[in-house]
Amino acid sequence: GAGVSQTPSNKVTEKGKYVELRCDPISGHTALYWYRQSLGQGPEFLIYFQGTGAADDSGLPNDRFFAVRPEGSVSTLKIQRTERGDSAVYLCASSSDRGSIEAFFGQGTRLTVV
Amino acid sequence: DQQVKQNSPSLSVQEGRISILNCDYTNSMFDYFLWYKKYPAEGPTFLISISSIKDKNEDGRFTVFLNKSAKHLSLHIVPSQPGDSAVYFCAASVRGAQKLVFGQGTRLTINP
Repeated sequence: GAGVSQTPSNKVTEKGKYVELRCDPISGHTALYWYRQSLGQGPEFLIYFQGTGAADDSGLPNDRFFAVRPEGSVSTLKIQRTERGDSAVYLCASSSDRGSIEAFFGQGTRLTVV
Repeated sequence: DQQVKQNSPSLSVQEGRISILNCDYTNSMFDYFLWYKKYPAEGPTFLISISSIKDKNEDGRFTVFLNKSAKHLSLHIVPSQPGDSAVYFCAASVRGAQKLVFGQGTRLTINP
């Protein structure tokens, strides 16, 4: 597809379980971002990749959250020991070059921890 | 600490009139500002941006104004159309930092 693709669209998991959220960026985009949007709030920055490396992970809330982008394309956000407070829409975005902040967003994964 | 604030959760405007969405920020290091539009069940879509070296940027029906001394920016949509009904997010970034700080959003409803 032409846009940023995120799977799954919805994920319901039990408290304490491990989840993985996947992002397929626009082909050729070197920069990839993860944001989290809680109800009634704007997106909050989690992590930024330039190529395969995490250039800025200052937004990850704690060590239960981890993200990888091993081949510089697809990225996976991993959350261990999920908590009810992790429930949110997780948004992925990509942009074409290092200097461009005008990123294209995917539709998001709605995570619900019960 | 909310560095970017959109104090109006919602706004209702008649079709054909002007819509004005406001945004305030506290961090004087911000030097690039963007507006995103979001429809339900979709990701945010980039709308328009402005650098801190400018005070106005226009793109068709959309104009963004920046008042650096007041740390305030606004998005003007004229004329407003029903398809403009969406949630609008203001966002800001610091030069060299590849991340955006978003406001809470304003839900705009255009009434026919």
